[in-house]
Amino acid sequence: QSALTQPASVSGSPGQSITISCTGTSSDIGSYNYVSWYQQHPGKGPKLMMFDVDNRPSGVSNRFSGSTSGNTASLTISGLQAEDEADYFCSSYTSSGTLVAFGGGTKLTV
Amino acid sequence: QVRLLESGPGLVKPSETLSLTCTVSGDSIGGGGHYWSWIRQYPGKGLDYVGYIYYSGSTYYTPSLRRRVSMSVDTSKNQFSLKLRSATAADTAVYYCARGGPDYDHNYFDPWGQGTLVTVSS
Repeated sequence: QSALTQPASVSGSPGQSITISCTGTSSDIGSYNYVSWYQQHPGKGPKLMMFDVDNRPSGVSNRFSGSTSGNTASLTISGLQAEDEADYFCSSYTSSGTLVAFGGGTKLTV
Repeated sequence: QVRLLESGPGLVKPSETLSLTCTVSGDSIGGGGHYWSWIRQYPGKGLDYVGYIYYSGSTYYTPSLRRRVSMSVDTSKNQFSLKLRSATAADTAVYYCARGGPDYDHNYFDPWGQGTLVTVSS
């Protein structure tokens, strides 16, 4: 069972916006701005899409944005494109002893 | 462009040692500043942080694996390695190496390797 909770799946049509949530606790998301998001296409390694809550790495589209509220982090993808269809994972620093917590992943269908 | 590539046996017998190596190109492990990490992904998709090694040799292992895991680094070859003793079927997963940082308690992972499937079975 993953330490952070994500919905198993979300879907949207091309051009629409979707938001993926990631719920943790005061030991992770609620106390630290160290949330990151990863995109994973089938058979590939994960790719960093967002770090420190709302920072995009170079080369990542500005259609991707991140935020937090309390113990929940969110990744929003606007102007959905077919290439966005993938699994998305959240991650956070945690003071619980395991250093890094991951979410169980959300399958995005476009 | 930084690339990481995992290598090692894809099949390990129960009770034996799982051994993997990650070869880094485009960055120097010896340059410091990054926490070279192992992360595994179970068949059901969940990710699990195994731990990291720094260029100096300092390590962090996740508590549930601490009795069985060890990591090493070879800066001359720009490689780091993972050993997991007494493997069981529960260790069956895709193992990824990744570059972490910018600090030991502030880790995001970029990039990741392509991953290597390790199956523990007789």
